[in-house]
Amino acid sequence: KAGVTQTPRYLIKTRGQQVTLSCSPISGHRSVSWYQQTPGQGLQFLFEYFSETQRNKGNFPGRFSGRQFSNSRSEMNVSTLELGDSALYLCASSLAGTGGPRVEQFFGPGTRLTVL
Amino acid sequence: AQSVTQLDSQVPVFEEAPVELRCNYSSSVSVYLFWYVQYPNQGLQLLLKYLSGSTLVKGINGFEAEFNKSQTSFHLRKPSVHISDTAEYFCAVSDRGTGGFKTIFGAGTRLFVKA
Repeated sequence: KAGVTQTPRYLIKTRGQQVTLSCSPISGHRSVSWYQQTPGQGLQFLFEYFSETQRNKGNFPGRFSGRQFSNSRSEMNVSTLELGDSALYLCASSLAGTGGPRVEQFFGPGTRLTVL
Repeated sequence: AQSVTQLDSQVPVFEEAPVELRCNYSSSVSVYLFWYVQYPNQGLQLLLKYLSGSTLVKGINGFEAEFNKSQTSFHLRKPSVHISDTAEYFCAVSDRGTGGFKTIFGAGTRLFVKA
């Protein structure tokens, strides 16, 4: 079974630009969560999508948005990039969401975003 | 609010020595507990999980953890580490919040295994 895939793996953008990251979950997984990882803040939860609906949201500004398609693939968009948005963005998929008996999240390799 | 505290940011240890990585959480309801490992330039990989049942949980690569409800701890242990265990380890807690279940990660513990 293929794992979680994220594209692109590396991205360099300049301040003010926008970026879209993509995540393909494991086949059969309906929940996709996004995390931002930085050396200073660690792993921070961005949002979770389940069956095309945003079910949970972290504490990030509205510049961060996402969506999920009917095939469970998810995209994350960051508009008006700031230097502080430089981070590793991780996507995780699971069967039943971010909790419950089938809580195990499978992570992709991440997309490293550098904002210049 | 739920929180996860990993008590050591870095743990240096010699090869073949035992190691314990400490994790405490705060939650007043039933929780699910996890340990993940992250190798350089990779995503997170699940080491082990506690959902219910036996408080001693065995995971991959010889790791185990013990859930202690009274002390709200979930410490990770390995009796003999290898160089290849050098990585960052994350403790995570999942419980039901107002928006459904959420998973919160600790700040991570960097394990250095020295020859």
